[in-house]
Amino acid sequence: DAKTTQPTSMDCAEGRAANLPCNHSTISGNEYVYWYRQIHSQGPQYIIHGLKNNETNEMASLIITEDRKSSTLILPHATLRDTAVYYCIVRALNAGGTSYGKLTFGQGTILTVHP
Amino acid sequence: DAEITQSPRHKITETGRQVTLACHQTWNHNNMFWYRQDLGHGLRLIHYSYGVHDTNKGEVSDGYSVSRSNTEDLPLTLESAASSQTSVYFCASSDRLGLHEQYFGPGTRLTVT
Repeated sequence: DAKTTQPTSMDCAEGRAANLPCNHSTISGNEYVYWYRQIHSQGPQYIIHGLKNNETNEMASLIITEDRKSSTLILPHATLRDTAVYYCIVRALNAGGTSYGKLTFGQGTILTVHP
Repeated sequence: DAEITQSPRHKITETGRQVTLACHQTWNHNNMFWYRQDLGHGLRLIHYSYGVHDTNKGEVSDGYSVSRSNTEDLPLTLESAASSQTSVYFCASSDRLGLHEQYFGPGTRLTVT
């Protein structure tokens, strides 16, 4: 699986949009971009994933650049409860492949939302 | 509602004892995973299973074993607990193709004294 690079930490004011970047310059054509977050002392929680098109769900939006070498997770109106570690993960989904179904977590970005 | 549970949530044990951590999911997922999380290392994969009677070693499998006798459960056993295995353990599951999200349990905090 491709390696990802994320900033160690970011701050955001409550009510503002939080934009979390991720670089994955070695991404392959069959690799998806996944985002998870982990609130203190809880299990990781899935947020969103995408291949090449931008995606949006009730939690966030995912913007993937045209060359797919980077992406941005957008939390449109951050709240204090969004304070967490955010993980960007790139994963191939080839059935039977060595990375089949597995997630490789990096260090992630610590997002702190301030009042 | 479908869910994934872990037990116990907290465990203190002594060095050398055998310990088993339980993971139970009601999603009817084929794939199940065990991770450990330590400060400075993030989440690391211990063992995983793609179905009944299937088990595979992950990144940090030494000292751990799993067995999959049914779809719902993947117990993690520490054969002889060591202080280095003090950690928070998370179980997760996903559907057969692993296309979608992994659902994580609440975690088990294990302390080996």
